[in-house]
Amino acid sequence: AQKVTQAQTEISVVEKEDVTLDCVYETRDTTYYLFWYKQPPSGELVFLIRRNSFDEQNEISGRYSWNFQKSTSSFNFTITASQVVDSAVYFCALSVEYGNKLVFGAGTILRVKS
Amino acid sequence: GAVVSQHPSRVICKSGTSVKIECRSLDFQATTMFWYRQFPKQSLMLMATSNEGSKATYEQGVEKDKFLINHASLTLSTLTVTSAHPEDSSFYICSAPEFGTGDEKLFFGSGTQLSVL
Repeated sequence: AQKVTQAQTEISVVEKEDVTLDCVYETRDTTYYLFWYKQPPSGELVFLIRRNSFDEQNEISGRYSWNFQKSTSSFNFTITASQVVDSAVYFCALSVEYGNKLVFGAGTILRVKS
Repeated sequence: GAVVSQHPSRVICKSGTSVKIECRSLDFQATTMFWYRQFPKQSLMLMATSNEGSKATYEQGVEKDKFLINHASLTLSTLTVTSAHPEDSSFYICSAPEFGTGDEKLFFGSGTQLSVL
């Protein structure tokens, strides 16, 4: 069975601070996909990134960056110079077959204060 | 581009009534639809998987007679909450993969907030 753990229930930062959201996953499959989604108060899920298990390259997209380390089964997400608009719930998720169901972590509430 | 349209976005109903939630795939064929439920301040949990033209597969603990899923066409899947009770109040969201493009994507609907009085 697969499992995703987001140990940080809630994080509060002041605007312009950097913040890292942790994600640890468990699976016995050698091929899998990892995702990050943002859920603003309106409820919809905003796709941020998908990474497959064979691609351990870190990725940067603007203020967002992701660190994938298979050795520690982690896929952490860093927001640089956080902004109030980054306030949301962030979910890490895992799928063992692309296009298949996702197993979500519990989510991390990020509050960015001005 | 491809989108999953989910309606209604919010519904309030009396206990004992049935509520239908629709998810339509726009600009692609959704052979599979995943239905998730999210209780307040909790994570999303898969309820069931529907495939066009066949019976849905329900996750353990989800009552198939209470949550009726119909996937009669390649662009429409519906979830009906029958005889809704206050404990069914939750956020329901659907998701469909788009295959065959070389860069398969997973699309989510915008969700339905169900409140049962």
